[in-house]
Amino acid sequence: GENVEQHPSTLSVQEGDSAVIKCTYSDSASNYFPWYKQELGKRPQLIIDIRSNVGEKKDQRIAVTLNKTAKHFSLHITETQPEDSAVYFCAASNAGNMLTFGGGTRLMVKP
Amino acid sequence: GAVVSQHPSRVICKSGTSVKIECRSLDFQATTMFWYRQFPKKSLMLMATSNEGSKATYEQGVEKDKFLINHASLTLSTLTVTSAHPEDSSFYICSARDRRVGTYEQYFGPGTRLTVT
Repeated sequence: GENVEQHPSTLSVQEGDSAVIKCTYSDSASNYFPWYKQELGKRPQLIIDIRSNVGEKKDQRIAVTLNKTAKHFSLHITETQPEDSAVYFCAASNAGNMLTFGGGTRLMVKP
Repeated sequence: GAVVSQHPSRVICKSGTSVKIECRSLDFQATTMFWYRQFPKKSLMLMATSNEGSKATYEQGVEKDKFLINHASLTLSTLTVTSAHPEDSSFYICSARDRRVGTYEQYFGPGTRLTVT
């Protein structure tokens, strides 16, 4: 089955700096890669996703890059703000079927 | 956007009792719903995939007789934790996938925090 590794597990940045979270996956059949933000006790919220037919997608301060050959994808957050502090999960799926999640990254943005 | 509700949001029960959790897609039809369990400071672990009108598919290590899943309609799936024990205490989250062709996104419910005493 699919295996998704996520790094780092914790990330502390200064407000205004950029944050990068990286994930690798094992199943070459995976073609959908969403990123979720989860605040304590809340549901995961989709912040951006990418399909395997594109290499990069951007939405304001958030961008995701995908390298299918190397089987890795990354989340980039620019100009971080304290409200970006949360746990972020990457995931992989084959055509929207079951999601396999990474282990999560706790992002702390210091004001 | 699509909305998924989950009920109850929080439940405390005694060891040995059963608890039913409902997951509803409010404004779309979901042929497939997924049930996850999340322990504190851990990731989401898929428990089972629930398809409308058919038996659920359970992940390895998940006891199907303990975690009963029923997907009776295109908008409702239920998870029943039978004979709950303290080790079943966790955050249970469902997600639903829109049945429209070409949509990959899963929409998550708000979760149910189960505490077994």
